[in-house]
Amino acid sequence: QKEVEQNSGPLSVPEGAIASLNCTYSDRGSQSFFWYRQYSGKSPELIMFIYSNGDKEDGRFTAQLNKASQYVSLLIRDSQPSDSATYLCGVGGYNKLIFGAGTRLAVHP
Amino acid sequence: EPEVTQTPSHQVTQMGQEVILRCVPISNHLYFYWYRQILGQKVEFLVSFYNNEISEKSEIFDDQFSVERPDGSNFTLKIRSTKLEDSAMYFCASSEGRGQTYEQYFGPGTRLTVT
Repeated sequence: QKEVEQNSGPLSVPEGAIASLNCTYSDRGSQSFFWYRQYSGKSPELIMFIYSNGDKEDGRFTAQLNKASQYVSLLIRDSQPSDSATYLCGVGGYNKLIFGAGTRLAVHP
Repeated sequence: EPEVTQTPSHQVTQMGQEVILRCVPISNHLYFYWYRQILGQKVEFLVSFYNNEISEKSEIFDDQFSVERPDGSNFTLKIRSTKLEDSAMYFCASSEGRGQTYEQYFGPGTRLTVT
């Protein structure tokens, strides 16, 4: 059974701090790795994707991938209250994504 | 900016009835997907569709489910005889599906309530 694991949280960080979200996956053949943000009652919104080992930065977000350790992470710099949401890690290929249960992030002023 | 659209936003149906959920994927995308999310649970893959046929399906996607691309823009999910446990948010997603482009973009979802 292919699985994606995330800490459910909540992860509570003060405004302006760095939030670090982690994800591990079981399928070594996975090709693509995504981070989605989901506000309560809304659909997943794609915020980062990464396909190769290493770091990828986009604005306040950095995704990190280590295929040898089967580990993906998301760093959010200068966290804002509007970042408070559930962050979903999605792993897979062109055919489908397997999601973790999500990590709830709470950014407090 | 192009986006995936879904109708209706909320569908209430009685157990045993058939429902059709509709989606309009992003226009130049080639891969289409359905996912569902039961309240408080994780997003689960149902099916992917490419070149007018199912590309992959999960164990959830049994004979009660079917998908169709009836024309050049719509993509539908049919549940033939709904059960109480089919109550969930159903998300359609699409992906460009060319080269190394695998990013999937989700629609706003249809909340299905089976009574």
